[in-house]
Amino acid sequence: DTGVSQNPRHKITKRGQNVTFRCDPISEHNRLYWYRQTLGQGPEFLTYFQNEAQLEKSRLLSDRFSAERPKGSFSTLEIQRTEQGDSAMYLCASSQTGYNSPLHFGNGTRLTVT
Amino acid sequence: AQSVTQLGSHVSVSEGALVLLRCNYSSSVPPYLFWYVQYPNQGLQLLLKYTTGATLVKGINGFEAEFKKSETSFHLTKPSAHMSDAAEYFCAAWNYGGSQGNLIFGKGTKLSVKP
Repeated sequence: DTGVSQNPRHKITKRGQNVTFRCDPISEHNRLYWYRQTLGQGPEFLTYFQNEAQLEKSRLLSDRFSAERPKGSFSTLEIQRTEQGDSAMYLCASSQTGYNSPLHFGNGTRLTVT
Repeated sequence: AQSVTQLGSHVSVSEGALVLLRCNYSSSVPPYLFWYVQYPNQGLQLLLKYTTGATLVKGINGFEAEFKKSETSFHLTKPSAHMSDAAEYFCAAWNYGGSQGNLIFGKGTKLSVKP
């Protein structure tokens, strides 16, 4: 169990630029989640995949956000035309199937939009 | 939809004192409940979980939590605080909405431990 890996750890970008984050889940986990965390708040659900299928998207996930999980392995989260309000920690988590399966989180990607 | 409320955004205790972090959930369906800890610039680490069975759940680092259905609570406790316990703690509950649901988090409680 090598844990959930996220890259990059930090990203600074100018408003209007596109950014892409990568998440490598625990290998035997078929579920993968993306969350966003802003200062002083708990993580907020964005979207999740079961294998390669994106099964749910939050209303927080505007049209500028897109997530993929090709072949059911790693996942990418892309933000187009970034805005200052996108500045946050983006957390990836993975789990096995089932309500009682806890989510295992990566260390996150901190995005700063200037 | 499920919601989670953590009372107190900041709790301060002395080293060796009891730690009590409060969490209430809203759903009327049997909940699956979790406590996570987050150290600065890191992801969340699972402390403990309640699914079914025994209502007193023991976790890592000496923490435990008790599920009380009548109070819709899942408070986190530790008998004796250690300096290394200083971190932010998040209570979470499974939200059954949507296709399969997801984990809903409270706003967190930052724990400070004074020497």
